Amino acid sequence: DAGVIQSPRHEVTEMGQEVTLRCKPISGHNSLFWYRQTMMRGLELLIYFNNNVPIDDSGMPEDRFSAKMPNASFSTLKIQPSEPRDSAVYFCASSLGSNTGELFFGEGSRLTVL
Amino acid sequence: GQQLNQSPQSMFIQEGEDVSMNCTSSSIFNTWLWYKQDPGEGPVLLIALYKAGELTSNGRLTAQFGITRKDSFLNISASIPSDVGIYFCAGPMTTDSWGKLQFGAGTQVVVTP
Repeated sequence: DAGVIQSPRHEVTEMGQEVTLRCKPISGHNSLFWYRQTMMRGLELLIYFNNNVPIDDSGMPEDRFSAKMPNASFSTLKIQPSEPRDSAVYFCASSLGSNTGELFFGEGSRLTVL
Repeated sequence: GQQLNQSPQSMFIQEGEDVSMNCTSSSIFNTWLWYKQDPGEGPVLLIALYKAGELTSNGRLTAQFGITRKDSFLNISASIPSDVGIYFCAGPMTTDSWGKLQFGAGTQVVVTP
């Protein structure tokens, strides 16, 4: 079975450019999470969706970040405009929404903003 | 908010040795989770603990949920090279979404032959 699929795996862009990260959750999972990982702050939850609806976006750093989930099989995280401090690995994870705490993570998108 | 303090930050061990790491919280957790992250990959769940005092094993891994519900430890016995990676403790920030996890800073494990 396919796991969580993220793209691109790596992106290098210049400050001010728009960045779009994509995620396809595991089929049948009804919860989707965007996490960011940096050396300084570790793994941080940015936003999560239940049944395609954004539930909590309190972790989104600022208005430059936005996330959408137009259907059950696709989500995007957009940064516009990007800044060097946005450089990080962005993970998408999905779960069945059950009370187990088991998240299935994708391989991540490594973003470098110059 | 809740803070997870994980120690040690890193460990350099020889193959065959046992590994022990722990995690403490400033607040009570109802669930403790241990994840492992291999280089270039996302974290993968190793063990989940749901009850204070619970001791759970998964192969060479053993984890315990502290009685106070503010701590947990993970042991790896007879380490092998593929145990290399970063181990994270985690717990749900709220009870209404078990995926809204707070992660510790991680323990990096390096195993030498």
